[in-house]
Amino acid sequence: NAGVTQTPKFQVLKTGQSMTLQCAQDMNHEYMSWYRQDPGMGLRLIHYSVGAGITDQGEVPNGYNVSRSTTEDFPLRLLSAAPSQTSVYFCASSWKSGRGGTGELFFGEGSRLTVL
Amino acid sequence: GNSVTQMEGPVTLSEEAFLTINCTYTATGYPSLFWYVQYPGEGLQLLLKATKADDKGSNKGFEATYRKETTSFHLEKGSVQVSDSAVYFCALTGSYQLTFGKGTKLSVIP
Repeated sequence: NAGVTQTPKFQVLKTGQSMTLQCAQDMNHEYMSWYRQDPGMGLRLIHYSVGAGITDQGEVPNGYNVSRSTTEDFPLRLLSAAPSQTSVYFCASSWKSGRGGTGELFFGEGSRLTVL
Repeated sequence: GNSVTQMEGPVTLSEEAFLTINCTYTATGYPSLFWYVQYPGEGLQLLLKATKADDKGSNKGFEATYRKETTSFHLEKGSVQVSDSAVYFCALTGSYQLTFGKGTKLSVIP
């Protein structure tokens, strides 16, 4: 029962490097999202997608790109990493509810990123 | 916009003590409300939820009631255990953007 799978679990980057955090889900969820978790800040939404080919910005999208070519995958790209992007990143997925929102989120185990 | 305010921790309790973590919210419309729990080194997982006013969510001895008149969704447990030590997040749905509180860290000591 895989659920939501994130890779890598840990990554260290130098300022200016690029990388992609991978997220895959096997629950056929239409909705997928990326959050970052910082001490004292809770979780903040970076980007989300309500289906293949559809993405939108969340609260803190700057410095991140996403795409959704399949229902299963939702990668998060950092084009030029900055120390301010040091954080723990969580991918989450859900079904779309009939009320124009989602059901409860299913989270991956997180990816801890350090930018030096 | 939507917002969630929950009591800041950390909260330290002795085993078998009563737990309350306060959560209040601001939202338009009729959001669903959630409590998520994060154990050390893990992702968040749903603890309980309520989808309409006066609903009570419950799971693993935890309870929370959706109070529209006070815009609250306080988490309670009658007798905490060491295994309940974790960070607890209150959250609400708003369209496709789930809004989280900042989290409350609970430590339960034997």
